[in-house]
Amino acid sequence: DAGVTQSPTHLIKTRGQHVTLRCSPISGHKSVSWYQQVLGQGPQFIFQYYEKEERGRGNFPDRFSARQFPNYSSELNVNALLLGDSALYLCASSLVPDSKQFFGPGTRLTVL
Amino acid sequence: AQTVTQSQPEMSVQEAETVTLSCTYDTSENNYYLFWYKQPPSRQMILVIRQEAYKQQNATENRFSVNFQKAAKSFSLKISDSQLGDTAMYFCAFTLGGSNYKLTFGKGTLLTVNP
Repeated sequence: DAGVTQSPTHLIKTRGQHVTLRCSPISGHKSVSWYQQVLGQGPQFIFQYYEKEERGRGNFPDRFSARQFPNYSSELNVNALLLGDSALYLCASSLVPDSKQFFGPGTRLTVL
Repeated sequence: AQTVTQSQPEMSVQEAETVTLSCTYDTSENNYYLFWYKQPPSRQMILVIRQEAYKQQNATENRFSVNFQKAAKSFSLKISDSQLGDTAMYFCAFTLGGSNYKLTFGKGTLLTVNP
């Protein structure tokens, strides 16, 4: 079975631009969570979605938004990129929100 | 707010030896879960072990075991018979029980297993 997949693998953007990151959960998983991992730090929770509804939101500005589609895949959008948004963005899927999470390989975003 | 602290930024161990990674956490809740995740240089985060707070028995997974001290809010990971493939960042993580599974991570410990 395929694990959690994320695209793209790497991305380079300039300040002020917008970016969309994509995540496909493990087949059968209905919940997707997004985390930001800045270099040298542990991941920080951004969003959790379940059945296309937002179930939780971390301490991130409104420039960050996400959505979940009927097939349970998810997009994370970041507007007006700042240098500080450079990070590894991790997606995790689970059967339901309170079950074990499986992480994808991440998208490395660099903002210049 | 819940916090997770890993006080050892880096550790090293010789192959086949045993190493213990430390983690402390802070919460006023009683229903929660604790985890150790491994992130190798290839960066895919992998769940190593999970502990339910209501269980007194320490969790074990093959060569990995935890020492869960609820009163002290301590959750250490012991790796026995260390292997070169254990070289990775190890993150301690916490989540409250219930319908939301937001993970709060520590800053991580970089473990290097030397041949």
